[in-house]
Amino acid sequence: DIQMTQSPSSMSASVGDRVTITCRATQVIRSWLAWYQQKPGKAPELLIYAASSLQSGVPSRFSGSGSGTDFTLTISNLQPEDFATYYCQQAESFPRTFGQGTKVEI
Amino acid sequence: EVQLVESGGGLVQPGGSLRLSCAASGFTFSGFWMSWVRQAPGKGLEWVVTIKPDESEKYFVDPVKGRFTVSRDNAENSLYLQMDSLRAEDTAMYYCARANNYAFDIWGQGTMVTVSS
Repeated sequence: DIQMTQSPSSMSASVGDRVTITCRATQVIRSWLAWYQQKPGKAPELLIYAASSLQSGVPSRFSGSGSGTDFTLTISNLQPEDFATYYCQQAESFPRTFGQGTKVEI
Repeated sequence: EVQLVESGGGLVQPGGSLRLSCAASGFTFSGFWMSWVRQAPGKGLEWVVTIKPDESEKYFVDPVKGRFTVSRDNAENSLYLQMDSLRAEDTAMYYCARANNYAFDIWGQGTMVTVSS
C-alpha cells in the first residue's frame, strides 16, 4: 500500500500569511494526488485534483504542485475561512490512502 | 443541485449488521464510480470501498474485506454499504463520495455508525 505523509501535522498562521503544506508518498504516484479541506463537523471538500488542477468554485489563492512522490499545497493570503484541516490523498492505486491531516490554526 | 444524502447509521452491538444508503441527485449517477470514506471520531479520513458504475469492479480496504459488501442501483440513483460482523473499530462517520478525475469531488453530509454494547 502507498503511505502518505503530510507535514506539518499542525501549524499556527495569521490572516494574510502564505501557508505551505507538504505531502510525500512512499511510491511514485505520478500526478494522481488530491487535496481536501475539512472544517469541524463538516464533510471534506475537494480543493485540488491531479496535483495542480483547481476544483471549480475553489478560490485561486489555493494552488497545488508536485509530481512523483513530493507534493505541495499552498494557500496564499490566508483568509479566516481557511482555518481548517487539510488532507492529501493518492489516486494512483487501490487502496486509496489519505495523509494524516494538517490542522491550520490561528 | 448535485447532492449525496446518506442514511442508515445508528447504534449497533458488536457482531451486528447495518446497511447504509446513499441517495444521489443532480447528476448522471450511472456514469460515475462511487465510494465510501469513513472517519473515526477525532481521527483522519479512511477510504473504505469504491465501486464501478456497472459493479464489475469493487475495491475494499483490508480491514473490511469479507465483512462489508457494496452495491448500487443505477435506476434508483442509490449506493449501498452492507456492514456485517461489526467491530468497535468500525465506529465512524461514513461518507458517500463521487469519484471524478481520480478524486472525490462530491461528498454527502455523512451518517454516524456507533458499534458498542
